[in-house]
Amino acid sequence: EVQLVESGGGLVQPGRSLRLSCSASGFTFHDYAMHWVRQGPGKGLEWVSGISWNSHNIAYADSVRGRFTISRDNADNSLYLQMNSLKPEGTAFYYCVKDMWAGVGAPRDWGQGTLVTVSS
Amino acid sequence: QSVLTQPPSVSGTPGQRVTISCSGSSSNIGSSNVNWFQQLPGTAPKPLIYFNNQRPSGVPDRFSGSKSGTSASLAISGLQSEDEADYYCGTWDEGLNAYVFGTGTKVTVL
Repeated sequence: EVQLVESGGGLVQPGRSLRLSCSASGFTFHDYAMHWVRQGPGKGLEWVSGISWNSHNIAYADSVRGRFTISRDNADNSLYLQMNSLKPEGTAFYYCVKDMWAGVGAPRDWGQGTLVTVSS
Repeated sequence: QSVLTQPPSVSGTPGQRVTISCSGSSSNIGSSNVNWFQQLPGTAPKPLIYFNNQRPSGVPDRFSGSKSGTSASLAISGLQSEDEADYYCGTWDEGLNAYVFGTGTKVTVL
């Protein structure tokens, strides 16, 4: 069974940084692309970023490009999201999502999420 | 602002059939497979339909998906109270080089 456990969320001031982690188990992590998706309070889903199995293909939403960095450690079955220059509109649940394939394109299995609150 | 448009809400009585539309363009639905996700209140989304019309194991066959041109649809037949949830379509957008979600539809069972 696919298990994805996010951590690292919390309260952070606007302009500061935060790093999210996702620990994966129940599947061969290095065979699949991974994503981060967020959902603001009472809002819909917003795709944030995706990374291919070998980290050679990375994509970002326009809203975070240049401020957020996605990375992965296949030896440790872990996915990361470094978030810099955070804005209040970044307040959301952040979900770690497993792709159906090795390449970025089809998020499918979701973790339970970690809450990030950007406020002074 | 999402590039995939869904109705904000649909409703039906138990046993009824309801459909949710997802409208896009040639750069997303028109050129990629569509997925559907179900989000029950207070929980994380879960996969409902992939490859336009395939159900993951464990998803009841009351749920079905279809795609035609730049639009897709999710149908729920034999509506049940436990189907009350938010539903999102999603697909890759070649022009944006990004995954895009629909605006979301809340299903209410009357």
